[in-house]
Amino acid sequence: DGGITQSPKYLFRKEGQNVTLSCEQNLNHDAMYWYRQDPGQGLRLIYYSQIVNDFQKGDIAEGYSVSREKKESFPLTVTSAQKNPTAFYLCASSTLRGSQETQYFGPGTRLLVL
Amino acid sequence: AQTVTQSQPEMSVQEAETVTLSCTYDTSESNYYLFWYKQPPSRQMILVIRQEAYKQQNATENRFSVNFQKAAKSFSLKISDSQLGDTAMYFCAFAYTGANSKLTFGKGITLSVRP
Repeated sequence: DGGITQSPKYLFRKEGQNVTLSCEQNLNHDAMYWYRQDPGQGLRLIYYSQIVNDFQKGDIAEGYSVSREKKESFPLTVTSAQKNPTAFYLCASSTLRGSQETQYFGPGTRLLVL
Repeated sequence: AQTVTQSQPEMSVQEAETVTLSCTYDTSESNYYLFWYKQPPSRQMILVIRQEAYKQQNATENRFSVNFQKAAKSFSLKISDSQLGDTAMYFCAFAYTGANSKLTFGKGITLSVRP
């Protein structure tokens, strides 16, 4: 089945530790996105990538890093510089045919700090 | 920069009835897209409906329809014949057309459908 997968479903981070969230898509989409969701808040964009080996900062990129070495994969690293990482993280992808294609989302990863 | 406002944090509706969720946005752009996404308790974000700003006709998808008022910058979602499975958070989102376009989300509204 075509879709977007995120792993793990739950992730625990210790103080000072970097952790990486996985996002893979087999939809042949060009663009991929990472969002953060906090309780009572909408989604906020962390990073996005429209092409392999290129990515742009979103609204809340500080304390996060990404890579886009393959079209199918867009991992997000939450670094120790992110002081409040507890949140729900959603990955999305879209084609770039047309002016604005719909974004489709993965099931999300819940990150908790120990 | 565009903003999306969902002023009602929570709503409740009886099963089989109709409910309307409100959304307003602010932009100086003339060409853009508007979306409603649903997030059930599983937290999976699911596209409900999409509207292109250049289209005057309101989008519909089965029991879901929108009332798009471009001059008023209003984009409400109507759910007819509400079902228990409609219980979820609903997010309104905006994206302008063009390169590097990004989605801007409202804070969402929690809809509860009562049996």
